[in-house]
Amino acid sequence: GAVVSQHPSWVICKSGTSVKIECRSLDFQATTMFWYRQFPKQSLMLMATSNEGSKATYEQGVEKDKFLINHASLTLSTLTVTSAHPEDSSFYICSARPGDGELFFGEGSRLTVL
Amino acid sequence: QKEVEQNSGPLSVPEGAIASLNCTYSDRGSQSFFWYRQYSGKSPELIMFIYSNGDKEDGRFTAQLNKASQYVSLLIRDSQPSDSATYLCAVNEGGKLIFGQGTELSVKP
Repeated sequence: GAVVSQHPSWVICKSGTSVKIECRSLDFQATTMFWYRQFPKQSLMLMATSNEGSKATYEQGVEKDKFLINHASLTLSTLTVTSAHPEDSSFYICSARPGDGELFFGEGSRLTVL
Repeated sequence: QKEVEQNSGPLSVPEGAIASLNCTYSDRGSQSFFWYRQYSGKSPELIMFIYSNGDKEDGRFTAQLNKASQYVSLLIRDSQPSDSATYLCAVNEGGKLIFGQGTELSVKP
């Protein structure tokens, strides 16, 4: 089946630094990828829709200047958490689908901001 | 704000019993519905999807959809301890999946 890969799986950083998370579709091209965030014991909250070659579409309440999304190719989207703070500590998960098929999730990236 | 509601649980059932997980959604125009299983610290994995009213069976899993009542459920027959996880209901809204808060299921040996 289709595979979506995220990197890094976990990252610890100091408050005020920026962190980049990569999401790759390994065996299909994805013009659209989705970024979710999940706090402990809570559900997945859609942050933004990443569109290849154009600007990302952010959900209400998500700061686009803080969560920078770049979808430069059909197989790669990146999420950069800028000036990270402890409240940004969360599980970030990307997803993508080949065509109109099943949505596949990456393994997730656990961010801890000290 | 389109919503997907689930009972957060935990739902505890004995091994071999039927586990019933429920989900309601607010957008009457929603067309497709998904059940995901998520183990602690892992990403969700798709169990089933359903588009049409009625039941859809896949092995020990049955999804039930009632669009008039805006209700979708997941039944797990012969529950196993390995089924212990959080089950997430999701609704397709214009290509985006909107998730419920998940129901934690515990299957006791």
